[in-house]
Amino acid sequence: EAGVAQSPRYKIIEKRQSVAFWCNPISGHATLYWYQQILGQGPKLLIQFQNNGVVDDSQLPKDRFSAERLKGVDSTLKIQPAKLEDSAVYLCASRRSGNTEAFFGQGTRLTVV
Amino acid sequence: AQRVTQPEKLLSVFKGAPVELKCNYSYSGSPELFWYVQYSRQRLQLLLRHISRESIKGFTADLNKGETSFHLKKPFAQEEDSAMYYCALLPGAGGSYIPTFGRGTSLIVHP
Repeated sequence: EAGVAQSPRYKIIEKRQSVAFWCNPISGHATLYWYQQILGQGPKLLIQFQNNGVVDDSQLPKDRFSAERLKGVDSTLKIQPAKLEDSAVYLCASRRSGNTEAFFGQGTRLTVV
Repeated sequence: AQRVTQPEKLLSVFKGAPVELKCNYSYSGSPELFWYVQYSRQRLQLLLRHISRESIKGFTADLNKGETSFHLKKPFAQEEDSAMYYCALLPGAGGSYIPTFGRGTSLIVHP
């Protein structure tokens, strides 16, 4: 089966600009996660979707980050405005209901200058 | 709250040497534990999970509930084992299906 697709792979923006990341999970996977991975650290959950509903967004900085999964398939994560500390790899992962394994995309490496 | 601790950022060994990557966790219930691996320029992928009790690529991990540990072991390291290894915890029944990851251990196997 095709894996989790993310785009773009790399993005460089100036602080205070906006940026959006896109994720297409594995077909049939109801659960979708967005993680932020800062250099030297493990992935940190930003938001979890179950179909098109938000399950957990307690660690999402809602003053600048937003995410949606309108049709329960693709998802978009947006940062507006970006700060220097947002420089990280943004990982999307999906999981099939009844299975505990999460499948990850290649990630988007964001550099804020 | 759940927490995963990987005390070593870097582990450097020679080919053929035994390897043990440490993972300790804190969680009040009965979690499911995983090891994920990321090879150079590849995506994060599942290596093994404790409920499977299987050996993958020569690696094994035993869940020790008394010590709240889930160390990853391999008796004879190979150069192709060089990668980042992440320990992860998933809350048990009744908890959220949100994997929590440790900070990772970089394993370097020298020829």
